[in-house]
Amino acid sequence: DTGVSQNPRHKITKRGQNVTFRCDPISEHNRLYWYRQTLGQGPEFLTYFQNEAQLEKSRLLSDRFSAERPKGSFSTLEIQRTEQGDSAMYLCASRGRGVNNEQFFGPGTRLTVL
Amino acid sequence: AQSVTQLDSQVPVFEEAPVELRCNYSSSVSVYLFWYVQYPNQGLQLLLKYLSGSTLVESINGFEAEFNKSQTSFHLRKPSVHISDTAEYFCAVIEGSYIPTFGRGTSLIVHP
Repeated sequence: DTGVSQNPRHKITKRGQNVTFRCDPISEHNRLYWYRQTLGQGPEFLTYFQNEAQLEKSRLLSDRFSAERPKGSFSTLEIQRTEQGDSAMYLCASRGRGVNNEQFFGPGTRLTVL
Repeated sequence: AQSVTQLDSQVPVFEEAPVELRCNYSSSVSVYLFWYVQYPNQGLQLLLKYLSGSTLVESINGFEAEFNKSQTSFHLRKPSVHISDTAEYFCAVIEGSYIPTFGRGTSLIVHP
C-alpha cells in the first residue's frame, strides 16, 4: 500500500500526559499537512510542511503542540500535557508538486483524553 | 479570508432518488473547489475538483458538481443514489495560500 499511513490509529491517554503521532506520506510528495477533526465538523488546518520546512501554523496550534518533519519524509505531531479538549481525530495529508495536485489523506489517529 | 458553508448537516434520501448537497463559499479571489467523501473510520477521499475550465465536473461514480461564480456555489449532485453512497461529504476551497478550508460536512444517509 503506497498511500498515506498514520500511527497509531487510536490512542487513549490520561489528561496531562504527552502523546506523539506519526504520519508517513506518499513517498514522492513534498508537502504534508496536519488537521484536527472533531465530531460533526470538517477538518481544521493545524500546520503545513514543504519538505522539512514548516511553512504555516494555524492559531489553533497552541504552545503544547509541536510538529516536525526532520528529513522531509515522515512527520510527527506531539501534544504535551494533553487536555480533554484535545480529544479528536488527527488527520495527515500529503500532496505532490504542482498547483493542481490533490491532497491524499491518511486514515487518521483518534485521540481520547480521559 | 475564505470560508465554506455547507447548509445541510444531514440529508436523508431513499435509494435511487436524486440528491443535492449544497456548498457555498466566500472568497475575494479565484479559488479551487473540492468535494471529499469520508466513509466511517476512514480518511477523506477526493470525489471531484474544480480548478479551471468547464464549470461542470464529474466523478467516476456518478456525482457531479457545478461551479457557479455569481452565486459562489459548488453544489454536489447525483441523479440516483445507492446505499453505498452513505457517507460524510465535505466541501473545501483553496485560494492563494494552498491551505484548504473545509466545510463542516453533510451526512448523506441513503435509505433502502
